[in-house]
Amino acid sequence: KNQVEQSPQSLIILEGKNCTLQCNYTVSPFSNLRWYKQDTGRGPVSLTIMTFSENTKSNGRYTATLDADTKQSSLHITASQLSDSASYICVVSPEYGNKLVFGAGTILRVKS
Amino acid sequence: GAGVSQSPSNKVTEKGKDVELRCDPISGHTALYWYRQSLGQGLEFLIYFQGNSAPDKSGLPSDRFSAERTGGSVSTLTIQRTQQEDSAVYLCASSPTRGRNQPQHFGDGTRLSIL
Repeated sequence: KNQVEQSPQSLIILEGKNCTLQCNYTVSPFSNLRWYKQDTGRGPVSLTIMTFSENTKSNGRYTATLDADTKQSSLHITASQLSDSASYICVVSPEYGNKLVFGAGTILRVKS
Repeated sequence: GAGVSQSPSNKVTEKGKDVELRCDPISGHTALYWYRQSLGQGLEFLIYFQGNSAPDKSGLPSDRFSAERTGGSVSTLTIQRTQQEDSAVYLCASSPTRGRNQPQHFGDGTRLSIL
């Protein structure tokens, strides 16, 4: 069964600190892996999209990594800001079919 | 507006009633998706429209759920004889082409509450 598991479920960090969120998946074969940010009461917003051949992709203070051999991805946030408080969702697109597989998300809270 | 627009933003209705949720995708986007997001759960795929092709309805949970996309633009998701387990946030997303590596642009969803 195609699954995406994220850890931790929730995380609290101090403003200015770095953090790393984890994503493990069983989807195979897959076309790409995505990270989304979802603010409370809003729709998800795309942060990065990596194909299976890419190892890393950055978007400002966000850097995603992908290890297709171990089926793991991480999202690293540098110099966190209060506005980074949100749910971060890992999503894997299977090679076949239209159903993206979503993780349940990691809820990040950045406090001052 | 430049983004995906969904209406209403909130809907409260009694069990057994029918509801219609609307999605206006980004102009020119040919692909449109509906998802359901329950508390603490990952997004659940419901249905996918691509241009004039037959929609992929494989994620619809029961025959009470249906969706249409008129003129390749606006889409409505209809839930008949609503049940309490239908309470969730319903999200719509669009993307510019069929390509698998295209980002999906999401609306802010409709929060549906069934009493």
